[in-house]
Amino acid sequence: NAGVTQTPKFQVLKTGQSMTLQCAQDMNHNSMYWYRQDPGMGLRLIYYSASEGTTDKGEVPNGYNVSRLNKREFSLRLESAAPSQTSVYFCASSRQGVSEKLLFGSGTQLSVL
Amino acid sequence: GQQLNQSPQSMFIQEGEDVSMNCTSSSIFNTWLWYKQEPGEGPVLLIALYKAGELTSNGRLTAQFGITRKDSFLNISASIPSDVGIYFCAGRSGGGADGLTFGKGTHLIIQP
Repeated sequence: NAGVTQTPKFQVLKTGQSMTLQCAQDMNHNSMYWYRQDPGMGLRLIYYSASEGTTDKGEVPNGYNVSRLNKREFSLRLESAAPSQTSVYFCASSRQGVSEKLLFGSGTQLSVL
Repeated sequence: GQQLNQSPQSMFIQEGEDVSMNCTSSSIFNTWLWYKQEPGEGPVLLIALYKAGELTSNGRLTAQFGITRKDSFLNISASIPSDVGIYFCAGRSGGGADGLTFGKGTHLIIQP
């Protein structure tokens, strides 16, 4: 089925470990996004990529890096995980120029101990 | 950054009741959206609003873009068990692809 696929679904890390969250979309969308969701906080934008080859910081970029590998794939990397990064991470995509019509993946639940 | 104040935080209602929730901002938005999130899933777009005063329906859901452009409202009529979830308002104030600002969500719980 067409959509946004995130892997892994769940992950537990120790403080200081690194990992990469993967995201891929098969709708030929130009723009891709990473959000984090914390209890009572809504969704906050970490990084986005308006088009292939570009990335920009969102509201909460500290501690993260991203790579827009190609038009389909947008990865989020935690270089040295911290407990404050325990969260649910959502990847989303949209056609260029209609960023409000975000299509979300089903999320990655990350716990940092 | 921009903030959206969404209320109420949670609602406990009986099946069949109507539901109202709202979202306000200190700054003007040119797009308002309402999303629903079910457990273990990402948010799904319900309604998008693009003009001040606009009133748009999607089945039993109706949303309005406030005249001041600083607020939006979502109503659900005759609630049913599958309406359970978290409803988020979201908005954006500019053009481009810089994503959305989300409210903190309204958790809707329906008692049988």
